[in-house]
Amino acid sequence: GAVVSQHPSWVICKSGTSVKIECRSLDFQATTMFWYRQFPKQSLMLMATSNEGSKATYEQGVEKDKFLINHASLTLSTLTVTSAHPEDSSFYICSAMSLGQGNYEQYFGPGTRLTVT
Amino acid sequence: QQQVKQSPQSLIVQKGGIPIINCAYENTAFDYFPWYQQFPGKGPALLIAIRPDVSEKKEGRFTISFNKSAKQFSLYIMDSQPGDSATYFCAASWRGSARQLTFGSGTQLTVLP
Repeated sequence: GAVVSQHPSWVICKSGTSVKIECRSLDFQATTMFWYRQFPKQSLMLMATSNEGSKATYEQGVEKDKFLINHASLTLSTLTVTSAHPEDSSFYICSAMSLGQGNYEQYFGPGTRLTVT
Repeated sequence: QQQVKQSPQSLIVQKGGIPIINCAYENTAFDYFPWYQQFPGKGPALLIAIRPDVSEKKEGRFTISFNKSAKQFSLYIMDSQPGDSATYFCAASWRGSARQLTFGSGTQLTVLP
């Protein structure tokens, strides 16, 4: 099956610093990647959608200057949390999709636990 | 109209039982309905998915039933095992939303040994 990796799996940073999270599709080319955040015992909340080589589309209420997304290639997307604050602490999950041949399946990474102190 | 409503919020069954999780949607443009399983601290894993041209799909112990007229779909887990204890999410997507998934609120399933 399709595999998506995330790095790091967990990170602790100080308030005011920036953190970069990588999302890679390991065995397929992802036309689209999605970034979600998830709070404990809650559902996944879509933050943004990114396509390779174009600017990400952010969901309402998500600050694009704070959550920088770069979809540099068909296998790599990065999320940078700039000037992180404790309220940014969450579980961040990416997913990747290849729209070829009518395949709508999204494959999720293992998630990154961010703690801002 | 973009919501997917999921019930129950939590579910406890005995080993071997058949838990049933239900989802309902409003947007008739939705044409892809996946179910995901998530263990604590892990990302969701795709279990099974269905499109509205079929009423039922089985993969191993997992079955989706789909009722297009009622705009509802359900997940059945046959012969449930303690290892199935996890949170289950239904979702839906359509091409007009760049295939973004709209998730249900999740069901925490506990299978007792």
